[in-house]
Amino acid sequence: ETGVTQSPTHLIKTRGQQVTLRCSSQSGHNTVSWYQQALGQGPQFIFQYYREEENGRGNFPPRFSGLQFPNYSSELNVNALELDDSALYLCASSLAGKPYGYTFGSGTRLTVV
Amino acid sequence: AQSVSQHNHHVILSEAASLELGCNYSYGGTVNLFWYVQYPGQHLQLLLKYFSGDPLVKGIKGFEAEFIKSKFSFNLRKPSVQWSDTAEYFCAVNSGGYNKLIFGAGTRLAVHP
Repeated sequence: ETGVTQSPTHLIKTRGQQVTLRCSSQSGHNTVSWYQQALGQGPQFIFQYYREEENGRGNFPPRFSGLQFPNYSSELNVNALELDDSALYLCASSLAGKPYGYTFGSGTRLTVV
Repeated sequence: AQSVSQHNHHVILSEAASLELGCNYSYGGTVNLFWYVQYPGQHLQLLLKYFSGDPLVKGIKGFEAEFIKSKFSFNLRKPSVQWSDTAEYFCAVNSGGYNKLIFGAGTRLAVHP
């Protein structure tokens, strides 16, 4: 089985810019969740997508948005980047009805300067 | 709001020493509990999980954890660590209607030969 693939692996953006991160879910998985892991902290839940709709959201502002496509892949978009958005962004896929069987990707390291 | 506390941010051990990493969560209802490991440069991997039943859970690579409901704890243990156990360890809890994980801040373990 394929794992979760995220792209790009590293990214540098300037404050105020917009960024799109991508995630291909594991084969057979239909749910995608996104997490932000700041330096020295544990991952924090951003949101989850199921059937191409947002299915739960953490404490993140609306400038964090996402999409899920019919093939279950997903995008995370962040507008008006701030310095504090610098973090490792993790994507995790799972199968609805098989709870908590997350497979995590290796993440995208975003640096905002 | 749910939260997860990991008591030790950094732990340094010699090979063959015993390991215990503390984890406490704040939620009075039914919870599912997890330990994840992140080896340097790699993605998060599930070590073990507890949903119900025997409170002593055995995971991969010789790790185990004990769920003590009265103490809201889920401590991770290993009788004899190896250099290859050097990694960051995250405790996580889930409850509610969707697959949102709440992570602790992590414990960075360094095992010296």
